[in-house]
Amino acid sequence: AQSVTQLDSQVPVFEEAPVELRCNYSSSVSVYLFWYVQYPNQGLQLLLKYLSGSTLVESINGFEAEFNKSQTSFHLRKPSVHISDTAEYFCAVSEVGGSNYKLTFGKGTLLTVNP
Amino acid sequence: DAGVTQSPTHLIKTRGQQVTLRCSPKSGHDTVSWYQQALGQGPQFIFQYYEEEERQRGNFPDRFSGHQFPNYSSELNVNALLLGDSALYLCASSFQERWTFFGEGSRLTVL
Repeated sequence: AQSVTQLDSQVPVFEEAPVELRCNYSSSVSVYLFWYVQYPNQGLQLLLKYLSGSTLVESINGFEAEFNKSQTSFHLRKPSVHISDTAEYFCAVSEVGGSNYKLTFGKGTLLTVNP
Repeated sequence: DAGVTQSPTHLIKTRGQQVTLRCSPKSGHDTVSWYQQALGQGPQFIFQYYEEEERQRGNFPDRFSGHQFPNYSSELNVNALLLGDSALYLCASSFQERWTFFGEGSRLTVL
């Protein structure tokens, strides 16, 4: 079984400031790692994923996350945030080699970007 | 290319009633999963369907049941609704790739 802990439930920042949303996971098997974003009253959108290879993954809108196996972490970062980045962010894992695509989610981090 | 579509988007039921939610997967996807997202929480896995069979189930009671049709679309049924069933129900589809696409969800309110 897997579990995901998002260490901050809310993160307020000012526009153009850097931000880090923290995610730690626990699993007895190897996992794939994901970040999803949820805008108000919408479903989940995949932001970025780590499947294998380079431990640093990037999204098209400037976010990046680094897989750290020794610390079982997958923190999300952005060097300069915009007002439009205000949303709920969810970290999730799924089992490597499993025959299904079940995702286990953290409780989410609400990122609020203020002008 | 249509993504994952769900219906209805919003609905209100009373305790004890039954509800059916519907989902059409992304084109080409054959696996459908359902998640429950309570207010202020992350999504919780309910179950997954593949080849019209329930492949895996999360920690939800038997009041939650589902079905997958030959065209890969799916239904989620919840019987004997409780106030605690109020949530956003998310459908997700996938096909071999190691990532999952979500619909916009069906928001259920139980009064």
